[in-house]
Amino acid sequence: GAVVSQHPSWVICKSGTSVKIECRSLDFQATTMFWYRQFPKQSLMLMATSNEGSKATYEQGVEKDKFLINHASLTLSTLTVTSAHPEDSSFYICSARTSGDRFSYEQYFGPGTRLTVT
Amino acid sequence: GQNIDQPTEMTATEGAIVQINCTYQTSGFNGLFWYQQHAGEAPTFLSYNVLDGLEEKGRFSSFLSRSKGYSYLLLKELQMKDSASYLCAVMDSNYQLIWGAGTKLIIKP
Repeated sequence: GAVVSQHPSWVICKSGTSVKIECRSLDFQATTMFWYRQFPKQSLMLMATSNEGSKATYEQGVEKDKFLINHASLTLSTLTVTSAHPEDSSFYICSARTSGDRFSYEQYFGPGTRLTVT
Repeated sequence: GQNIDQPTEMTATEGAIVQINCTYQTSGFNGLFWYQQHAGEAPTFLSYNVLDGLEEKGRFSSFLSRSKGYSYLLLKELQMKDSASYLCAVMDSNYQLIWGAGTKLIIKP
């Protein structure tokens, strides 16, 4: 149980275009989803936290107009990188958690999406 | 500020035991997680400690001392597939995960 999928697993796009990444919880309802970015040889950097049906909370330094997050349902969140630039090339990972008991604070990670902007 | 410290890199020999330490200073504490991350892949859950003491799960054990702000991950009978980064993360008072930079573990034959 507790499977999170991401699509696409990798994408190459041209500078100036937009890319949408989907994150789905396949067998549980995710009240909260997290979006992370990870540059090579660095740790995970939390970009934003989203709760179903409400606006995402962005971490300091993350442009909310550039990284659009939509958590429309309890099983789906999307991250859209608008007007992508080469410096946005990174490994984007989503995670999801439910609410409730102690063990629900565990975050279940998707497999990640590698974005390359040329 | 909030801070998680763990060594950047460690090397160990196949079949041996290695201990990866993590110290933390966070605003509140709701548990400490260890995750394993292979290169190019997402992290996978290894352990969760919220009370002091040792939690054993097969070849992996995790220890927590809340008074010292300290945890370690102990890996026994090391295998080549254990070569990965090991991430320590603390859940703060807002139930947000604060991540360490990760420890890259290199296993040599």
